[in-house]
Amino acid sequence: AQSVTQLDSHVSVSEGTPVLLRCNYSSSYSPSLFWYVQHPNKGLQLLLKYTSAATLVKGINGFEAEFKKSETSFHLTKPSAHMSDAAEYFCVVARNNNDMRFGAGTRLTVKP
Amino acid sequence: EAQVTQNPRYLITVTGKKLTVTCSQNMNHEYMSWYRQDPGLGLRQIYYSMNVEVTDKGDVPEGYKVSRKEKRNFPLILESPSPNQTSLYFCASSPRDRGRLYSNQPQHFGDGTRLSIL
Repeated sequence: AQSVTQLDSHVSVSEGTPVLLRCNYSSSYSPSLFWYVQHPNKGLQLLLKYTSAATLVKGINGFEAEFKKSETSFHLTKPSAHMSDAAEYFCVVARNNNDMRFGAGTRLTVKP
Repeated sequence: EAQVTQNPRYLITVTGKKLTVTCSQNMNHEYMSWYRQDPGLGLRQIYYSMNVEVTDKGDVPEGYKVSRKEKRNFPLILESPSPNQTSLYFCASSPRDRGRLYSNQPQHFGDGTRLSIL
């Protein structure tokens, strides 16, 4: 069994400040973990993926996430937010593509 | 350009009127799936297909049908739509993992189909 919890439904930051989107997971095996981004009226786009290699995963657009097994967390960060980062972000825990759990999503707002 | 194409993008219809949402991918992916997205629930898998003529139920299959007669196409069929199927639907595809039964490759998503069933 597996589940994922995104701890914030909405995060608001100012442009140029750091971004932190929090994700905790539960899994009975060694999972793969993903972050996807969804811009308005668009499908989900992969930001990054963790699959038991390096615990710090670098993704596109300056995002990265750190896998912490002891805390069962996979938080997404970015040092400096851009206006174009405003979107909805989904954390996903997966055994395979037939056994995936999506978080409820975190809406990121970036203020000028 | 590599893409997953869904049609229509928007549809308003009435209870009981059969409808089909088409999905096509041009990446020669073996794996395809359908999801619905509802506020506060993230995405939930409806059906998936591991290859041509191989389909199986996901987490919320009730009221839906699919077929996979060709590798590139994976239509979603609502035989008798009801208001609780009003949602945002996404089709996705991914390549298979070599040597593995199930794929764990990142999925490519279509832009979504917003269905409203009155």
